Amino acid sequence: DIQMTQSPSSLSASVGDRVTITCQASQDISNYLNWYQQKPGKAPKLLIYDASNLETGVPSRFSGSGSGTDFTFTISSLQPEDIATYYCQQYDNLPALTFGGGTKVEIK
Amino acid sequence: QVQLVESGGGLVKPGGSLRLSCAASGFTFSDYYMSWIRQAPGKGLEWVSYISSSGSTIYYADSVKGRFTISRDNAKNSLYLQMNSLRAEDTAVYYCARLGNWNADYWGQGTLVTVSS
Repeated sequence: DIQMTQSPSSLSASVGDRVTITCQASQDISNYLNWYQQKPGKAPKLLIYDASNLETGVPSRFSGSGSGTDFTFTISSLQPEDIATYYCQQYDNLPALTFGGGTKVEIK
Repeated sequence: QVQLVESGGGLVKPGGSLRLSCAASGFTFSDYYMSWIRQAPGKGLEWVSYISSSGSTIYYADSVKGRFTISRDNAKNSLYLQMNSLRAEDTAVYYCARLGNWNADYWGQGTLVTVSS
């Protein structure tokens, strides 16, 4: 099975800061990676699909990049409403679909 | 607009059974794979099961294989999860989600399943 390792597991940043989260796959997954945002008490929401494509309606301050085993999710300017836990998810190893462990983002 | 509404959660004793339902609206249900994803209290996300648009292809996580059964009724725009032989570790919020291109592009609000004596 493919393991997805996210880091850090949590971070604290100031409003306006650039925030970067990484997701590392245990083997090459091409660009078969999605990113989700889960706000406290809410269902997750798809933000980015296929590693770098922004879902319709998602603010442009969110972006994703990478391929192979190393992926990056970036918030270019952190906003108070971005407080959430972010998850990566791979779909290279079908039929299994695997999430990373999550990164909790807090405001400093 | 796409809506997914889960129901059927609750408190059940270890070894018991529960059936979750998900009512879908706002899209052509029979065109999409559908899935169940769960989240234990304070933990991350786990993909439990998914089913193809026709019901011919089904996947289960190893953690639930042999105990859970996913099904759908395209005439009723509904997705189901029959959960048998429930264990304490099955305690979680269960989300119904539409499967886009191997991403969960729409989610329900979730239904809590608590397995406890």
